[in-house]
Amino acid sequence: NAGVTQTPKFQVLKTGQSMTLQCAQDMNHEYMSWYRQDPGMGLRLIHYSVGAGITDQGEVPNGYNVSRSTTEDFPLRLLSAAPSQTSVYFCASSLTEPHSLLAGLYNEQFFGPGTRLTVL
Amino acid sequence: AQSVTQPDIHITVSEGASLELRCNYSYGATPYLFWYVQSPGQGLQLLLKYFSGDTLVQGIKGFEAEFKRSQSSFNLRKPSVHWSDAAEYFCAVAPKRRGGSQGNLIFGKGTKLSVKP
Repeated sequence: NAGVTQTPKFQVLKTGQSMTLQCAQDMNHEYMSWYRQDPGMGLRLIHYSVGAGITDQGEVPNGYNVSRSTTEDFPLRLLSAAPSQTSVYFCASSLTEPHSLLAGLYNEQFFGPGTRLTVL
Repeated sequence: AQSVTQPDIHITVSEGASLELRCNYSYGATPYLFWYVQSPGQGLQLLLKYFSGDTLVQGIKGFEAEFKRSQSSFNLRKPSVHWSDAAEYFCAVAPKRRGGSQGNLIFGKGTKLSVKP
């Protein structure tokens, strides 16, 4: 059981290049999300998915695309990288949506180790 | 506006000393509350969480947190800090929502803890 894995660990891009950050989990979690972490800003939600075929925007979605064709994978795409996208990116997953008021329970989010991206 | 505030950007304590990291939130209703720790170069690990009930919550690694409704605070404490506790600590909230809708975490900006020998 590998948990949440992210590749690559480090990446350097030039402005305008495209790339995909990979995220995979082997826990059969329905809910997956992407955060970016910037110094002094904490973590901010980019996109999330409540299940295969369903995605939605978070707090800072501009410049990023996602898709969820399988339960296991949730790739994050940068179509035209910009220096403002220099950041550390974290993927997270949980069994279902993090909490449900009706169910009165919380599904812990498990975080991957992160991808450090630099855009020159 | 809804927010999570960690007033201390960086704290340094001596090994063996006590620790308190502050967290305040601003929401209409008490959200779910969390503390995460991030060791250098690592992802985030959940230390503890509060949903309801007893306002003093025990977590892993000897940490505890106390929820104070009157102060909208959820401060993290440890009686005796170890050198391995040096890390960045994030307070997070998940606003309670009706209908079972998704509840994404909203993070504070973090407090970096340094431990002196």
